Amino acid sequence: LAKTTQPISMDSYEGQEVNITCSHNNIATNDYITWYQQFPSQGPRFIIQGYKTKVTNEVASLFIPADRKSSTLSLPRVSLSDTAVYYCLVGDPLGTGFQKLVFGTGTRLLVSP
Amino acid sequence: KAGVTQTPRYLIKTRGQQVTLSCSPISGHRSVSWYQQTPGQGLQFLFEYFSETQRNKGNFPGRFSGRQFSNSRSEMNVSTLELGDSALYLCASSFQGFAGELFFGEGSRLTVL
Repeated sequence: LAKTTQPISMDSYEGQEVNITCSHNNIATNDYITWYQQFPSQGPRFIIQGYKTKVTNEVASLFIPADRKSSTLSLPRVSLSDTAVYYCLVGDPLGTGFQKLVFGTGTRLLVSP
Repeated sequence: KAGVTQTPRYLIKTRGQQVTLSCSPISGHRSVSWYQQTPGQGLQFLFEYFSETQRNKGNFPGRFSGRQFSNSRSEMNVSTLELGDSALYLCASSFQGFAGELFFGEGSRLTVL
């Protein structure tokens, strides 16, 4: 199983760019990397997913180096509402790999004014 | 489009009792997966159902079981509750397995006394 490691917590200020890195040394060939955001007392919410290189959507970018042993979630110009826990998830998205899904420990991001 | 609905949101049980949690997925989604979230262990995969069949199972004892109905609604049951079963139980739905995005409900918070 691909074990993931993330920083436990990070602090930032409004308007700054935040980069959260996830390490997944044992990632398998068919595994994708997905990031979720979770607010207290809510379920996680999908942010972005990628396989290699760079993926960008309206809220974040995901950078994956060629060896795919790590990935970096980049949040541009964070606001107070981005204060949450961010999870890195590695797994095979082909519908049958749920038992191999590994959630990271989560990174608690605190954004201050 | 209605989201994933989990009931009940909060419940308190005593050791030895059993509990049933319900999850109504997004209309059209056939895959429902369940997760246990605790401060110590983080997010852990329990099982996944697809078209009324358990397709994947995590590493939990047999006291944890589930089922899915023909309308894709799912229930999970925990028998002979232990103190360590206190957790937030989350379900997620998707059209077909893990491909792409998992849509999580807000969870059912179980407290075992």
